[in-house]
Amino acid sequence: AQSVTQPDIHITVSEGASLELRCNYSYGATPYLFWYVQSPGQGLQLLLKYFSGDTLVQGIKGFEAEFKRSQSSFNLRKPSVHWSDAAEYFCAVGINNNDMRFGAGTRLTVKP
Amino acid sequence: GAVVSQHPSWVICKSGTSVKIECRSLDFQATTMFWYRQFPKQSLMLMATSNEGSKATYEQGVEKDKFLINHASLTLSTLTVTSAHPEDSSFYICSARDAAGLQPQHFGDGTRLSIL
Repeated sequence: AQSVTQPDIHITVSEGASLELRCNYSYGATPYLFWYVQSPGQGLQLLLKYFSGDTLVQGIKGFEAEFKRSQSSFNLRKPSVHWSDAAEYFCAVGINNNDMRFGAGTRLTVKP
Repeated sequence: GAVVSQHPSWVICKSGTSVKIECRSLDFQATTMFWYRQFPKQSLMLMATSNEGSKATYEQGVEKDKFLINHASLTLSTLTVTSAHPEDSSFYICSARDAAGLQPQHFGDGTRLSIL
């Protein structure tokens, strides 16, 4: 069955430090891949998406993600974290145009 | 970019009340909308897929008579929680995909439902 795994429930980084959030998926073909961010009490905002082509995807707010087929991964990165990046991050897999599965989420805390 | 508006953002009501949540696509036509439920500190769980002009498709374990979904136009889907009870308290989020049927989904800001 298709699944999405975010191994890290909670990550704390210092402001200005680099960030990598892990995401692994299980699916027989190449899925559509997404990263969303959710601030407390709010909906989800799309950071970036991968459908095909260049495996390094640039998103909003300085985020990027790299699709690695051999590792079934789509990790999210940012070279320098800002305090405003503190939020919940969800990796999602779109199997087809209807089916989207979300990971459990990773909560990011940013230390001053 | 594509905007999805969800209303109300927060509702508190007594047990036994029915509550309607609206999800509107403001600048695109959405043939398909999705309703999710999110418990505190957990991920989103798909409840149902709402198709314009037809019956919604519910995920396993979701009571269709409890969570009534209507998608009467290309820009509006509603979720009605009937005879709500405290265990229905949750964060409900809708999303929509444009009529071209392409990913990704665009999400509303969610509705915090608290049943007393």
